[in-house]
Amino acid sequence: QSALTQPRSVSGSPGQSVTISCTGISSDVGGYDYVSWYQQHPGKAPKLMILDVSNRPSGVPDRFSGSKSGNTASLTISGLQAEDEADYYCYSFAGSYNWVFGGGTKLTVL
Amino acid sequence: EVQLVESGGGLVQPGGSLRLSCAVSGFTFSRTWMHWVRQAPGKGLVWVSHINSDGSTTTYADSVKGRFTISRDNAKNTVFLQMNSLRAEDTAVYYCAKDRSYSLDFWGHGTLVTVSS
Repeated sequence: QSALTQPRSVSGSPGQSVTISCTGISSDVGGYDYVSWYQQHPGKAPKLMILDVSNRPSGVPDRFSGSKSGNTASLTISGLQAEDEADYYCYSFAGSYNWVFGGGTKLTVL
Repeated sequence: EVQLVESGGGLVQPGGSLRLSCAVSGFTFSRTWMHWVRQAPGKGLVWVSHINSDGSTTTYADSVKGRFTISRDNAKNTVFLQMNSLRAEDTAVYYCAKDRSYSLDFWGHGTLVTVSS
């Protein structure tokens, strides 16, 4: 149950796009289309932004998109806004009713 | 409106026990899988445990296996986490979360567990 690998930090200017990667192995990210992404502001509970690799829940702006290739999933945020500054976590089903999070990525909007 | 409210956190000595509760409303609890997730101070999210809709299947992270037990009372719309043999490294905010297609679509506000002498 090793954590998925995410960059510790990414940054971008307002209006730009950023992509956060999430690398696992064939028995988690690579094996299932059950990757989700969460946004967490300081002191707050996480919020689901993407489920099933690329689906947005109701209410999540279409600036947020997800994808997967092999053992790596990605979250792309386009048209960066100040309120997007937060920590982002990926999460994957890992088989046998086990799940694993990524280590988290701090997004800074410059 | 979906709501999840955790309770039961607090300060406990190493080796002690605590029972967390998560009362839910706004969805059909008896048909929903539930999870516990924790976050140590300044650290990332860690999946802790899962329970299926009728409580017949439970799973745990290796770090808590044999010490923590997840359960549920579908009549009271509540999920529990019994934590025994607590260690300093169990210190964290514990969140309960609702499962949707193997993701976590609603979360509680969290309850802080501090293990210290």
